[in-house]
Amino acid sequence: DAGVIQSPRHEVTEMGQEVTLRCKPISGHDYLFWYRQTMMRGLELLIYFNNNVPIDDSGMPEDRFSAKMPNASFSTLKIQPSEPRDSAVYFCASSFRGLAKNIQYFGAGTRLSVL
Amino acid sequence: AQSVTQPDIHITVSEGASLELRCNYSYGATPYLFWYVQSPGQGLQLLLKYFSGDTLVQGIKGFEAEFKRSQSSFNLRKPSVHWSDAAEYFCAVAETGANNLFFGTGTRLTVIP
Repeated sequence: DAGVIQSPRHEVTEMGQEVTLRCKPISGHDYLFWYRQTMMRGLELLIYFNNNVPIDDSGMPEDRFSAKMPNASFSTLKIQPSEPRDSAVYFCASSFRGLAKNIQYFGAGTRLSVL
Repeated sequence: AQSVTQPDIHITVSEGASLELRCNYSYGATPYLFWYVQSPGQGLQLLLKYFSGDTLVQGIKGFEAEFKRSQSSFNLRKPSVHWSDAAEYFCAVAETGANNLFFGTGTRLTVIP
């Protein structure tokens, strides 16, 4: 398997623009997680899905952030409008049957820079 | 709420020396415990995990970790460090039965020749 695939790997945008990050989980995995990594706050869970349904979005910082999972093989994290403080590395991870049964596999991340 | 503390922000060791990275957690019951490694520009890779049973767990790349309930600790060890072990190491915890991980702030390991 190719692992968790994230695109793009790097994104540079200007403040106010819409940004869409994409994730393809490992085939057969039923959990998908979005994390954000910054120097100040470390790794934070933003939201996670089970069978394409959002389960916990309490980590989503504000209404400018939204995430969707239209099918089992694709998820997006959208920021609209983007702000410089959104600059971070965003990771997607997937797992099968949750942590009690299996581990999370992480993608390589998307490095977002908002100017 | 659970939390994870990694007291060492940066550690430098000589190649061939032993290594111990500290991790303390705060949680009422026995949580699920994990160690991940992140190489520069890469995603996180699981080194090892503890769910229950034997408190000494073996992982990949020669790493091991010991769960000590009395100390609420899950320290990572390696008897002889290789230059390729230079990376950032994250301890993580999850509530029993939960599916979301809480990460520590990480420890950056530098290996000198």
